[in-house]
Amino acid sequence: GESVGLHLPTLSVQEGDNSIINCAYSNSASDYFIWYKQESGKGPQFIIDIRSNMDKRQGQRVTVLLNKTVKHLSLQIAATQPGDSAVYFCAEKAGTGGFKTIFGAGTRLFVKA
Amino acid sequence: EAQVTQNPRYLITVTGKKLTVTCSQNMNHEYMSWYRQDPGLGLRQIYYSMNVEVTDKGDVPEGYKVSRKEKRNFPLILESPSPNQTSLYFCASSLSQAFETQYFGPGTRLLVL
Repeated sequence: GESVGLHLPTLSVQEGDNSIINCAYSNSASDYFIWYKQESGKGPQFIIDIRSNMDKRQGQRVTVLLNKTVKHLSLQIAATQPGDSAVYFCAEKAGTGGFKTIFGAGTRLFVKA
Repeated sequence: EAQVTQNPRYLITVTGKKLTVTCSQNMNHEYMSWYRQDPGLGLRQIYYSMNVEVTDKGDVPEGYKVSRKEKRNFPLILESPSPNQTSLYFCASSLSQAFETQYFGPGTRLLVL
């Protein structure tokens, strides 16, 4: 069945280092992918998205890479800061017209000062 | 301020006592959705609505009902809550169901005894 998963449940990085959070998806028909950040006690917040006709998209300190060949998605955070500590979810829009959104289980990022 | 609001934020109830969690957005969004979040399972979609009077099941609709009589409101109804519906619930909205990011509410934590 359709699923979106993450390779690592937790990731610990030193402040100032780059972080890479990975995600695997199984539905090759998915055409829209999103990364969300969820801080404690809050709802998920949009970080960056990418459509399936792209391989890479950059935002402010974040980059999303999409490898459709192996159905892999990654989020890169440059110069990780303590404020980046949160749970990160990848999500895919599945189904005709992208009606459903399927989330991965999440990766918790710890930033060490 | 553009936002998605949910009420109540916290609720303790007993098995079988009908309850409604309200969701409202002030962004004139067409697409609204309900998710539940459980430890280790990420967010799972319960129901979604593409517009007024148009709703459809997500991945975990059993035990839930929704309605979309007005564009801004999308209440989640638990006719006969059971302990396995104890969870953290999020409402979300987006401009459309296509390549649009979703804006999430602050969450409703429900405990069913």
